[in-house]
Amino acid sequence: DAKTTQPTSMDCAEGRAANLPCNHSTISGNEYVYWYRQIHSQGPQYIIHGLKNNETNEMASLIITEDRKSSTLILPHATLRDTAVYYCIVRPVYNQGGKLIFGQGTELSVKP
Amino acid sequence: KAGVTQTPRYLIKTRGQQVTLSCSPISGHRSVSWYQQTPGQGLQFLFEYFSETQRNKGNFPGRFSGRQFSNSRSEMNVSTLELGDSALYLCASSYNPGDTEAFFGQGTRLTVV
Repeated sequence: DAKTTQPTSMDCAEGRAANLPCNHSTISGNEYVYWYRQIHSQGPQYIIHGLKNNETNEMASLIITEDRKSSTLILPHATLRDTAVYYCIVRPVYNQGGKLIFGQGTELSVKP
Repeated sequence: KAGVTQTPRYLIKTRGQQVTLSCSPISGHRSVSWYQQTPGQGLQFLFEYFSETQRNKGNFPGRFSGRQFSNSRSEMNVSTLELGDSALYLCASSYNPGDTEAFFGQGTRLTVV
């Protein structure tokens, strides 16, 4: 079973920041938080991951609370092409396998 | 370089038949994982292959099987198809198991009638 809880859907205005929350209250010390997204009719795409520090890359920022029980993915200037289902996944640091356990995700709709 | 290639993109089969789906990973990638996506169950892990060996398997019946060839290409097979097997089957590849980023193909849409 997925170890994360996300809102089913969210809306965001184009050009504004999209803040997608994720609850992972049972996360253990040796688990990363990963984010993937799936645009309609495509395979999932990796966005970002983190352990306990905030992370930023060219796509997004990841803010992890100090107790690591929740996190927020931030798309700083959402565009229509960011409309997708966003998945928050917890994954062991020392996992030697490629298995990803997806939850139901958040369907983000970016509106003009 | 080319991404993960899955063939065919679309497939229609009849109940009771069997089907084979193919996945060509990104050049140099040796790890391949398979996922099933349905509206009801979402994305579910099927199995993972590395160096021609199955390393991990999800909770699916034995009708679902797979293999990996020496060139890292992978196939999955579903025998005795059921209506509930209708789904999008996705393949992901990475250099090694557990790499930070897995690269997904566009999937094969299987419809069982």
